[in-house]
Amino acid sequence: DTGVSQNPRHKITKRGQNVTFRCDPISEHNRLYWYRQTLGQGPEFLTYFQNEAQLEKSRLLSDRFSAERPKGSFSTLEIQRTEQGDSAMYLCASSWGLAPETQYFGPGTRLLVL
Amino acid sequence: GESVGLHLPTLSVQEGDNSIINCAYSNSASDYFIWYKQESGKGPQFIIDIRSNMDKRQGQRVTVLLNKTVKHLSLQIAATQPGDSAVYFCAESVNQAGTALIFGKGTTLSVSS
Repeated sequence: DTGVSQNPRHKITKRGQNVTFRCDPISEHNRLYWYRQTLGQGPEFLTYFQNEAQLEKSRLLSDRFSAERPKGSFSTLEIQRTEQGDSAMYLCASSWGLAPETQYFGPGTRLLVL
Repeated sequence: GESVGLHLPTLSVQEGDNSIINCAYSNSASDYFIWYKQESGKGPQFIIDIRSNMDKRQGQRVTVLLNKTVKHLSLQIAATQPGDSAVYFCAESVNQAGTALIFGKGTTLSVSS
């Protein structure tokens, strides 16, 4: 499968715990995006990387959230001290970074914070 | 075929009908638009895109129309099939590259056979 992959697909955690999600983009893509989607809504942008550099962060990305892409390939999104309001689908997308930039999405990680 | 003039959260059609899903975008500076299909429990799947220098683009069974004057985008699906049942989102971006996509409100398409 040459598409974007995300792991785990589902995560249930207790409030206050830390969680980490992984995204493996399409191999030739140099841009990687994270979005959050709550039930009934469209995805909302969180942050994006050009290679290993994190170039933009949304105001939705509180200081409990951190994302990395250390080698410019896979990326991780960590949420510290999870809250019930963090329950959502976390989506990763990647692109070639050439205009027009089509972003291709992974299957998402669904997080439930109890 | 079934069509809607304004955005509606749901659209129900019969198999074989043509469907039209509408989207109003927010930023007059947006110059690139994408339609995504999202099935339950899955990530958004790219359907078709259009740049702002075009007003129509056709794919396989799908056509996207762009009206920049009224900031309106539509997705037409010909001969709708049960497999087309999903939530459809339009997304916009500025400068075509290196920016976040802004998603519109989704439309749930239900196709009955």
